[in-house]
Amino acid sequence: EAGVTQSPTHLIKTRGQQATLRCSPISGHTSVYWYQQALGLGLQFLLWYDEGEERNRGNFPPRFSGRQFPNYSSELNVNALELEDSALYLCASSRRTANEKLFFGSGTQLSVL
Amino acid sequence: GENVEQHPSTLSVQEGDSAVIKCTYSDSASNYFPWYKQELGKGPQLIIDIRSNVGEKKDQRIAVTLNKTAKHFSLHITETQPEDSAVYFCADPSGGYQKVTFGIGTKLQVIP
Repeated sequence: EAGVTQSPTHLIKTRGQQATLRCSPISGHTSVYWYQQALGLGLQFLLWYDEGEERNRGNFPPRFSGRQFPNYSSELNVNALELEDSALYLCASSRRTANEKLFFGSGTQLSVL
Repeated sequence: GENVEQHPSTLSVQEGDSAVIKCTYSDSASNYFPWYKQELGKGPQLIIDIRSNVGEKKDQRIAVTLNKTAKHFSLHITETQPEDSAVYFCADPSGGYQKVTFGIGTKLQVIP
């Protein structure tokens, strides 16, 4: 069974640009979560999608947005990039009925120059 | 699930010794307590979890204990090996609407 896959693995952008990060959940998982892991700051909850709807978001500005597609894959968009957006962005998925257990991808390392 | 305190932030042990990492939560309604291990270049992976109806759970060299009165749960690794070196996170998924809150992480170094 394939795990959670994320693309790209690395992304370099300049300040003010937009970044798009992608995530494919484990087959059978309908929930997708996005986390930001900045150096030394642990895992910060960004967004939760389930059945195509945004169910909850963390304390991040509106320029962080995303969506979930009918096949349950997801996209995270970050507009007007700032230097402090540089971080590892992790996607996780879970089953609808056992959504406490998260399965993470390896992340996308976003660098904003 | 709004607040999970984890300590220590770093831990160095000699190979073969034991390591203990502790987390304290604030929501008395919390009932599920997972631990994740993050190796370099990878995402966190669930290694063990416990529900509030039990006080301890073991899986080979790792164990998790729960003290509901004191609102803390701990990860115990015995007979540590170099491959145990990683960052370990506790989590509290009871933050409502699946807002899983993670501890700050503990960087464990096992010295050969």
